[in-house]
Amino acid sequence: DSGVTQTPKHLITATGQRVTLRCSPRSGDLSVYWYQQSLDQGLQFLIQYYNGEERAKGNILERFSAQQFPDLHSELNLSSLELGDSALYFCASSVLAGGPDTQYFGPGTRLTVL
Amino acid sequence: GNSVTQMEGPVTLSEEAFLTINCTYTATGYPSLFWYVQYPGEGLQLLLKATKADDKGSNKGFEATYRKETTSFHLEKGSVQVSDSAVYFCALISMDSSYKLIFGSGTRLLVRP
Repeated sequence: DSGVTQTPKHLITATGQRVTLRCSPRSGDLSVYWYQQSLDQGLQFLIQYYNGEERAKGNILERFSAQQFPDLHSELNLSSLELGDSALYFCASSVLAGGPDTQYFGPGTRLTVL
Repeated sequence: GNSVTQMEGPVTLSEEAFLTINCTYTATGYPSLFWYVQYPGEGLQLLLKATKADDKGSNKGFEATYRKETTSFHLEKGSVQVSDSAVYFCALISMDSSYKLIFGSGTRLLVRP
């Protein structure tokens, strides 16, 4: 158990809908990262937050957004969902804003868009 | 840019066989290197890491050495078990301001009894 929690574990929804994925980092970790794992793209970095502020953006679609709250949990919002958004979404946390810090991953949320 | 290349799988071995999964990287600077493992139906678990050249990371019988001269971080285990069946990902931390992880495509290992 990494100490990172994600809910829900599974999510099934329809095209055009909006969903919210939740992540709670390890105790003491200030940084949260979101990654997407899909069959065609592999594991890709989406976005990073540090202590409530957006720190870095990767290949995140405009239909996707995220935020980190004062209690440091983070939410990833996916809207106008398309079939191609079906994937496993991971969050990871680390202590510091950057540097060679180890990132610890949650169990993931499997999103299926029908 | 930064990238990680792993050997294609699946790798199929008999129990107690020797395992090598090749990983090479392209990066600016000297990033920390990682191996993560994903067991069926589960998330990513950190297996081992190395933060500088010639460092050896080890855990659960797995080892990998950070080789700057060959830009490699090959994963090895002397005697695999059925329970080692999983997908293994090699990764580096990007040394730009994002410090994101850049992953290889993953190598599936299947160990037969």
